Amino acid sequence: NAGVMQNPRHLVRRRGQEARLRCSPMKGHSHVYWYRQLPEEGLKFMVYLQKENIIDESGMPKERFSAEFPKEGPSILRIQQVVRGDSAAYFCASSPPFRAYEQFFGPGTRLTVL
Amino acid sequence: AQTVTQSQPEMSVQEAETVTLSCTYDTSESDYYLFWYKQPPSRQMILVIRQEAYKQQNATENRFSVNFQKAAKSFSLKISDSQLGDAAMYFCAYRSSVLGGGGSNYKLTFGKGTLLTVNP
Repeated sequence: NAGVMQNPRHLVRRRGQEARLRCSPMKGHSHVYWYRQLPEEGLKFMVYLQKENIIDESGMPKERFSAEFPKEGPSILRIQQVVRGDSAAYFCASSPPFRAYEQFFGPGTRLTVL
Repeated sequence: AQTVTQSQPEMSVQEAETVTLSCTYDTSESDYYLFWYKQPPSRQMILVIRQEAYKQQNATENRFSVNFQKAAKSFSLKISDSQLGDAAMYFCAYRSSVLGGGGSNYKLTFGKGTLLTVNP
């Protein structure tokens, strides 16, 4: 059973470009979470999604950030018009239904904004 | 809002020795989950151990055990017989077990981490 997959592992963007980060949850998992890890910090919750639904986006910046988890395909975290402060590691986690206390993390995407 | 505090930015231990990492948290809830995650240089987040607050017995996983003091809101991790592969950043995390609230209770709240060095 493959783990949580994230791609790309490393992403370099120039200021003003868009960044798209993808997350494929583990098989059978219907809950996806995105976290951001700034340098020297712990992970900070961004958004929690189930298929076709955003359940909690209380940790998402109000502008430029959006997330989706379509019926088919991976979850996408989109950052428009990136700025240097968006440079961070972005982690996706997934959990099975009825066991949401157990989150399995992907390897993360390291975003560098030049 | 819940907060998690790890007061030791760095710790070191000799190989084969025992080390304890500290974690305290603040919550008004009575039921919740606590976790320790390990993040090696590869940056992959790996679950080390989980504790349910309603359980009085401390969780153990092989060489890893916790000392859960609910009244003191303390959740320390003990690593016995430390190995070189234990060197990593360790994060303590909290999650509410109360369902509802728009789903906001599903998120994990992390501390800032403790960097563990294992000396040969």
